Amino acid sequence: DAGITQSPRYKITETGRQVTLMCHQTWSHSYMFWYRQDLGHGLRLIYYSAAADITDKGEVSDGYVVSRSKTENFPLTLESATRSQTSVYFCASSEGLVNIQYFGAGTRLSVL
Amino acid sequence: AQKITQTQPGMFVQEKEAVTLDCTYDTSDPSYGLFWYKQPSSGEMIFLIYQGSYDQQNATEGRYSLNFQKARKSANLVISASQLGDSAMYFCAMREGLTSYGKLTFGQGTILTVHP
Repeated sequence: DAGITQSPRYKITETGRQVTLMCHQTWSHSYMFWYRQDLGHGLRLIYYSAAADITDKGEVSDGYVVSRSKTENFPLTLESATRSQTSVYFCASSEGLVNIQYFGAGTRLSVL
Repeated sequence: AQKITQTQPGMFVQEKEAVTLDCTYDTSDPSYGLFWYKQPSSGEMIFLIYQGSYDQQNATEGRYSLNFQKARKSANLVISASQLGDSAMYFCAMREGLTSYGKLTFGQGTILTVHP
């Protein structure tokens, strides 16, 4: 089915390892976003992208890297995972004047 | 300072009754948008309703309406005729400006529990 998909849905890793979370959308939306959700903080923006090869930092970008070589893909990489990066990660995409964001199902990441 | 404030950590409502979830926001930009999302226990984020800062009328989508009071900087979500399936976490969010690439700032959420 078309839409926005995230993989994997669940991931357990160890501190210091590199982890990549995938996000793929089929709508050809220009804008894509990565958020993390933690108890007591709601959703916080990690990175966003206005188009292929255009990315910028959000509120909590330290320790994360993104790329967007194709419009439909927006992978998020944790270069050296830390326990504080244990969280639920959401990818979203949007388009148009109103820019309603549509979210993927999320990836639950545990860093041990 | 918090840009989006949801002061109710939890709310309870009886099935078939109406409930209001509070949201206040803080921005100096005259152009902004306000959004409500629902997150059920399964975890997905579901868009419910949108209000633009220049919209003259309150937004409505089925049983959802947004009580937009611009001078008070509030954007409360009203759910009419609550159903058991409305039990979920609800987030208010804001997009500031016309060139913000659609970035959203979220509140901390309100957990709504609907009792039969």
